Amino acid sequence: NAGVTQTPKFQVLKTGQSMTLQCAQDMNHNSMYWYRQDPGMGLRLIYYSASEGTTDKGEVPNGYNVSRLNKREFSLRLESAAPSQTSVYFCASVEGTNEKLFFGSGTQLSVL
Amino acid sequence: DAKTTQPPSMDCAEGRAANLPCNHSTISGNEYVYWYRQIHSQGPQYIIHGLKNNETNEMASLIITEDRKSSTLILPHATLRDTAVYYCIVDQTGANNLFFGTGTRLTVIP
Repeated sequence: NAGVTQTPKFQVLKTGQSMTLQCAQDMNHNSMYWYRQDPGMGLRLIYYSASEGTTDKGEVPNGYNVSRLNKREFSLRLESAAPSQTSVYFCASVEGTNEKLFFGSGTQLSVL
Repeated sequence: DAKTTQPPSMDCAEGRAANLPCNHSTISGNEYVYWYRQIHSQGPQYIIHGLKNNETNEMASLIITEDRKSSTLILPHATLRDTAVYYCIVDQTGANNLFFGTGTRLTVIP
């Protein structure tokens, strides 16, 4: 089992460019999440998907869109990247309620 | 909104027990207490969680006070590899909106 896989690991964008961060899990988990972590800060929830076909906003959704493509995959899209979106992005998944989250290894994104 | 309060940093001697405190005075009856840790810039790793009873697993022990307003994570024999940021989180729904805060940076000293 690979667990939670994120691609790419590193990305540099220019202001205004778009890109999609990919996340896939092979644990048959129902819920998936996207977090961002700024230097010296804790993780903040961007969007989550409680089950296939549903998505909801988290604490900091502005500037992002998500797609729960199927049960395995949950992508995060930046339509027009801004320097304020420079951060490390983590994807996570969980089977059900009151269970533990499994995290990917992160995508380090720099927007110039 | 922060639901927990943790000291920003702690040191622990290698081989000794590390006791990490967490205050969650506004916890409600059905909210679980979770502990995660983040080593360097890796993704957070689950450690343990509990509702009201003390819990133990292969990584750590979780002691929750009777009034549930605070808890302590215990790493019984800290190693250098336990150096990390430890997050205490309370959550009712089971993960829908975990607030990680800034955690406690534990440094294990040789």
